[in-house]
Amino acid sequence: DQQVKQNSPSLSVQEGRISILNCDYTNSMFDYFLWYKKYPAEGPTFLISISSIKDKNEDGRFTVFLNKSAKHLSLHIVPSQPGDSAVYFCAASVASGSARQLTFGSGTQLTVLP
Amino acid sequence: DGGITQSPKYLFRKEGQNVTLSCEQNLNHDAMYWYRQDPGQGLRLIYYSQIVNDFQKGDIAEGYSVSREKKESFPLTVTSAQKNPTAFYLCASSMDGSYGYTFGSGTRLTVV
Repeated sequence: DQQVKQNSPSLSVQEGRISILNCDYTNSMFDYFLWYKKYPAEGPTFLISISSIKDKNEDGRFTVFLNKSAKHLSLHIVPSQPGDSAVYFCAASVASGSARQLTFGSGTQLTVLP
Repeated sequence: DGGITQSPKYLFRKEGQNVTLSCEQNLNHDAMYWYRQDPGQGLRLIYYSQIVNDFQKGDIAEGYSVSREKKESFPLTVTSAQKNPTAFYLCASSMDGSYGYTFGSGTRLTVV
């Protein structure tokens, strides 16, 4: 039972255009959401996050939108650059004891074409 | 520089052998995690530890074992009981109550 789903395994976008990566979740207890970026043979690196009390968070070219009623979040990258080509993982967080656990989606491979 | 180090980067194992993957962090993080990545399946949690000498099973713990004798170290042993061990293994750490993880660069294990 996947609690965090990324239904698009891949996405291709032209350089300079907008990339929109989507993520859906089922557990209403999730209260913090993150996006990670991963290059081949490397560990994921943190990109941007959003708390459930917000509906939007921006950081430079990256914006994350959260729609709690639809249990949906999206990552917008504008403008897209070839260096953005990577696998993007959506993750959702809930407190578990004294630490937080992350549940990851299956990832979306973004390819930005020059 | 603070960080999390996984070694080796590539590891080959014969069927029936146990193998241990190393994970060390100098971030003073309390919690540490092991994930496995397979194509099309994202990251799946194997084991996690919130404090020294304590750890819990994740979603796919069968065939794996861990120890947490020091705060800085969280080695993962892939035993011969793991039926499909070929994968990319990621170690991560976080502060208690923090909202994100720091990941190592991963170990690719191949059974030959």
